[in-house]
Amino acid sequence: GAGVSQTPSNKVTEKGKYVELRCDPISGHTALYWYRQSLGQGPEFLIYFQGTGAADDSGLPNDRFFAVRPEGSVSTLKIQRTERGDSAVYLCASSRRQGAAETQYFGPGTRLLVL
Amino acid sequence: GESVGLHLPTLSVQEGDNSIINCAYSNSASDYFIWYKQESGKGPQFIIDIRSNMDKRQGQRVTVLLNKTVKHLSLQIAATQPGDSAVYFCAENSGGGADGLTFGKGTHLIIQP
Repeated sequence: GAGVSQTPSNKVTEKGKYVELRCDPISGHTALYWYRQSLGQGPEFLIYFQGTGAADDSGLPNDRFFAVRPEGSVSTLKIQRTERGDSAVYLCASSRRQGAAETQYFGPGTRLLVL
Repeated sequence: GESVGLHLPTLSVQEGDNSIINCAYSNSASDYFIWYKQESGKGPQFIIDIRSNMDKRQGQRVTVLLNKTVKHLSLQIAATQPGDSAVYFCAENSGGGADGLTFGKGTHLIIQP
């Protein structure tokens, strides 16, 4: 079946602009996760959803970052007033359900470049 | 394209040899561990996982070993192939409602022909 998909695959924006990144999880997966990966580093957790609600947003770096999942499927990560330091690959993952031992399957990521 | 292997430890092995990638994890309360493979320009791909009540688990050509005493995880890849070239990350999940994974620094595995 189809895996996790993310759009756009690449996004170039200017400092101060607003961006939205979209994630389509694997069909039927109830848990959805966002991570950020800087060059040469491992992914860093941002936020995860169980259904429509954000179960843990402890990884969001500041209040410029926000994510929604209004219908419990597709999620959008929103970044306001982008800064050059926001440049990274933003990865989305999903799992069948919430739980520490549930395998998370990753999408290809959105490469964000803030000029 | 970008290189996810930039600045990462590198392990170079001959094609057909076995490779061992090591990882030290940070949280003694972690109860689930995963190895991911990441090729350049792609997202992490699940390889194998292990729960804290086990010390060894085998898959196809891969084996994961867990030593909770020293908080050490290793991934063994048998008979390496060119397609095994990638960056390998270990990840841990401490559970307790915090289901976000914590990733290690990664190791860049290079298979020499």
